[in-house]
Amino acid sequence: DQQVKQNSPSLSVQEGRISILNCDYTNSMFDYFLWYKKYPAEGPTFLISISSIKDKNEDGRFTVFLNKSAKHLSLHIVPSQPGDSAVYFCAASVRNSGGSNYKLTFGKGTLLTVNP
Amino acid sequence: KAGVTQTPRYLIKTRGQQVTLSCSPISGHRSVSWYQQTPGQGLQFLFEYFSETQRNKGNFPGRFSGRQFSNSRSEMNVSTLELGDSALYLCASSLSGYQETQYFGPGTRLLVL
Repeated sequence: DQQVKQNSPSLSVQEGRISILNCDYTNSMFDYFLWYKKYPAEGPTFLISISSIKDKNEDGRFTVFLNKSAKHLSLHIVPSQPGDSAVYFCAASVRNSGGSNYKLTFGKGTLLTVNP
Repeated sequence: KAGVTQTPRYLIKTRGQQVTLSCSPISGHRSVSWYQQTPGQGLQFLFEYFSETQRNKGNFPGRFSGRQFSNSRSEMNVSTLELGDSALYLCASSLSGYQETQYFGPGTRLLVL
């Protein structure tokens, strides 16, 4: 059962416009969420994260929104640039009660293409 | 700071062989996790090591094993390789593994023939 879902395999936007990437999760125990960007033949690069105690986190052009009641998060990129073209992965983790265990559960990714 | 390094970057093996992959975490990071990426399954968690102990394990068969050394470097071993083990194997490190960002290496591309 896929606990983290990215239902759009691909997204195409024009340079300068907003890119919105979506992610849904089913495990209500997830309390930490991250977005990674991945270029071919490279490892994922961390973009931005959000704790479940927040509903929004911003870092430059990137903003992540978390809606816990809907078990939904989204990544907004404004303005989009051609260099943003990559696969974007949503990931989630569960805080162990002992506070020492950590693993990421990933969605299958969304390929973003930003057209000049 | 140097990033996470993985060796080798590419590897070709045949069915039945075994393989060992290596990961050097960012200096000061003590948690090392391993992930398998395939086109069909995406990124899947294999296991995590902290202070030379396996703390977390994903749903992979016992053919997949790992270890961590006192300098936090980690190795992953796959025995009796199968065609389905062809994948990109990614290593990630973090300070202690607790709600921290994990930083990924470039991966080792394994092809099993």
